[in-house]
Amino acid sequence: GGIITQTPKFLIGQEGQKLTLKCQQNFNHDTMYWYRQDSGKGLRLIYYSITENDLQKGDLSEGYDASREKKSSFSLTVTSAQKNEMAVFLCASSPTGQGYEQYFGPGTRLTVL
Amino acid sequence: GEKVEQHESTLSVREGDSAVINCTYTDTASSYFPWYKQEAGKSLHFVIDIRSNVDRKQSQRLIVLLDKKAKRFSLHITATQPEDSAIYFCAASRDNYAQGLTFGLGTRVSVFP
Repeated sequence: GGIITQTPKFLIGQEGQKLTLKCQQNFNHDTMYWYRQDSGKGLRLIYYSITENDLQKGDLSEGYDASREKKSSFSLTVTSAQKNEMAVFLCASSPTGQGYEQYFGPGTRLTVL
Repeated sequence: GEKVEQHESTLSVREGDSAVINCTYTDTASSYFPWYKQEAGKSLHFVIDIRSNVDRKQSQRLIVLLDKKAKRFSLHITATQPEDSAIYFCAASRDNYAQGLTFGLGTRVSVFP
């Protein structure tokens, strides 16, 4: 088995601030994903990465940067936090080429004051 | 891009009865359709999937049906139990290499005694 850890669990920021969320997985999966979950809007894909140093934009990439420094970690940066923004950011990973089941982390809950 | 519509936002079922959740998709190239479950306060976890080369798949009390012509797929939870109470998300993606998933908005299933 394996686990996905996301840090921090809760993130409170100010409007205009740059905020970074981190994700680590020990499944040895090739592909990693960042999703945003908003109440009433479901999950939307922000970025994904099929291997170290690869980045692919999802439908919601505007306003975000991502970085896949090594196979086990994938970071997401909110480039300028929007006032009153509240969402949960979910990281996931999957074993490319062996099926598509995605394993999700516990999430980072973002609140912008 | 792909759009996935999940038709039931809430579903209330008596314990022991069946629950059915229906989803439709727009991209004819989509060929992979997973379902995820999110229990209260927790992250998503995979429950079952179906690929476009079959039209029915069963795993214990879960049955997934796929109608490619209608671009519709459904999750049937049979003999429901209290632990089936959760939010269920349908999703779709193309079957080429690694892709992020396009999710529906979720269905909150409540099983009452």
